[in-house]
Amino acid sequence: QKEVEQDPGPLSVPEGAIVSLNCTYSNSAFQYFMWYRQYSRKGPELLMYTYSSGNKEDGRFTAQVDKSSKYISLFIRDSQPSDSATYLCAMSGNNAGNMLTFGGGTRLMVKP
Amino acid sequence: DAGVTQSPTHLIKTRGQQVTLRCSPISGHKSVSWYQQVLGQGPQFIFQYYEKEERGRGNFPDRFSARQFPNYSSELNVNALLLGDSALYLCASSSGTGYNEQFFGPGTRLTVL
Repeated sequence: QKEVEQDPGPLSVPEGAIVSLNCTYSNSAFQYFMWYRQYSRKGPELLMYTYSSGNKEDGRFTAQVDKSSKYISLFIRDSQPSDSATYLCAMSGNNAGNMLTFGGGTRLMVKP
Repeated sequence: DAGVTQSPTHLIKTRGQQVTLRCSPISGHKSVSWYQQVLGQGPQFIFQYYEKEERGRGNFPDRFSARQFPNYSSELNVNALLLGDSALYLCASSSGTGYNEQFFGPGTRLTVL
């Protein structure tokens, strides 16, 4: 079993929809949680970064961390076709500069 | 500000050959990490360097090695290439202190024939 599980999708939604992306994990030592967006054949782009449990909002994006359930989420409001990409969750232990453990990624398609 | 740069963009090698990939971190960042991303999967950690010292190593064979230079740039070397080494090799840069988010470069796509 992988340390970080993520539904690979693809997830197809109409433009303007609210998108929910999720990851579960098994290692209780994870303290830092990140979401990256990766366009085809490009490097991952850091979207959101949270420490421990709680919510964080940035524009149309909201990240939630529930350490008691070992479950993290990324919500995208008013989704746009330009949001079509693969979304990767990543986690690390005591320091976010340490090794990141990634989920397999969820492919999102937002249709006009 | 320039982001993380990697070279070459892509290359093709044959089994048994050796390859060197290069990475320049964001200005002011002192830590570089390397990841391997096989098509359809998430990145897997290979190495992390901070101030020219190895800080972490993932579960990769000894054919993989890396180093960091005084200007904080880094090289990843892979010897005796196997078909399974075909992947996108990503370099991530971080400050090494504070919140320490990791920022990725565009990657080097390696194809082994």
